[in-house]
Amino acid sequence: GAGVSQSPRYKVAKRGQDVALRCDPISGHVSLFWYQQALGQGPEFLTYFQNEAQLDKSGLPSDRFFAERPEGSVSTLKIQRTQQEDSAVYLCASSFGSPHSNQPQHFGDGTRLSIL
Amino acid sequence: GENVEQHPSTLSVQEGDSAVIKCTYSDSASNYFPWYKQELGKRPQLIIDIRSNVGEKKDQRIAVTLNKTAKHFSLHITETQPEDSAVYFCAASKSSGDKLTFGTGTRLAVRP
Repeated sequence: GAGVSQSPRYKVAKRGQDVALRCDPISGHVSLFWYQQALGQGPEFLTYFQNEAQLDKSGLPSDRFFAERPEGSVSTLKIQRTQQEDSAVYLCASSFGSPHSNQPQHFGDGTRLSIL
Repeated sequence: GENVEQHPSTLSVQEGDSAVIKCTYSDSASNYFPWYKQELGKRPQLIIDIRSNVGEKKDQRIAVTLNKTAKHFSLHITETQPEDSAVYFCAASKSSGDKLTFGTGTRLAVRP
């Protein structure tokens, strides 16, 4: 596709359920980022992949959050035992190069997660 | 870590007037400063960016200025139009391929 694609666009889950959010980056993009955007706030960094390697997961709020990118393309963000404070928009971004390249990040439309 | 502050949180201007949004950052190692426009329910879209070796950059009605000594950068939109209405976010990072630290956003309303 032409841009970063995320699915589902909307997800409603009951507290305690597990959820999985998918990101399809732009073809050929090496770097992939996940951000969390709470209502009325700016996006906050969660984790970063370069190809299949997770190089930075310092932004993951708890061990309930897990991300993977096993083949260096599609990525999945999984949240276990969801809680109400996990309600947010989860944004994925990709860029062509490594952290020291001059390529900007391109964002997907995000997944709006609501925990009841 | 990096901390980015953004002002104002809301801005209302008359169509045709200019709009200015200001950001400050804390980490002197930051070298890349993008601005994103986000419409309701849509993805953040990069509108302009600046690197630390440049003091000002323009793209038609949009300009960004950077003062590395003072650690602040600003977005200037001239001849505003109703379609400029959106939330604007500034961000900072060590490079364009590194994780971004965002400001809290400015909701711009352009009155026809």
